[in-house]
Amino acid sequence: KNEVEQSPQNLTAQEGEFITINCSYSVGISALHWLQQHPGGGIVSLFMLSSGKKKHGRLIATINIQEKHSSLHITASHPRDSAVYICAVPPRSSGSRLTFGEGTQLTVNP
Amino acid sequence: DGGITQSPKYLFRKEGQNVTLSCEQNLNHDAMYWYRQDPGQGLRLIYYSQIVNDFQKGDIAEGYSVSREKKESFPLTVTSAQKNPTAFYLCASKDGGYGYTFGSGTRLTVV
Repeated sequence: KNEVEQSPQNLTAQEGEFITINCSYSVGISALHWLQQHPGGGIVSLFMLSSGKKKHGRLIATINIQEKHSSLHITASHPRDSAVYICAVPPRSSGSRLTFGEGTQLTVNP
Repeated sequence: DGGITQSPKYLFRKEGQNVTLSCEQNLNHDAMYWYRQDPGQGLRLIYYSQIVNDFQKGDIAEGYSVSREKKESFPLTVTSAQKNPTAFYLCASKDGGYGYTFGSGTRLTVV
């Protein structure tokens, strides 16, 4: 079992739909990262959170430390949101190294 | 603007040749990382460096080498000993807390 599990692996939505991507982890952490990878490959950091909820535009990230679970929500989805979304954690036992989920491929159709 | 520059974006090499991927940052970050990504798989750590003149092996270091002679530079050499070098390579750096910055990656194809 991977230390970081994401679901779903693939997600197709219609423009305007509300989207949720889930991340569960099995290790102790101090923070969790949500990343976005576009088709060209470059990765952008969306959120880093250690508790509660963060919002940036149409993106919302939540984390429940007790349940070891985080969600990324996209409201009013748009085709430009199509990308791979990756959850990553730095396990406390590994110092600053990140452990990554396998990613969720999101496709938003017009 | 501060960030990480990886070059080149695409790289083609013949089997058996060594190749060096460049990673430069102007963020004044101490820690730098190299990851490999294969289709359908998560990113895996090759090497990392937490300070100049020091680096450690990650989970898949065999067939790779690095150097960290300057704070802003962390080049990765893919040697002929790497059995399956065709992949996407990503460089990252970390600030003093938990903030990471990622490069745009280099796609290496060995023919």
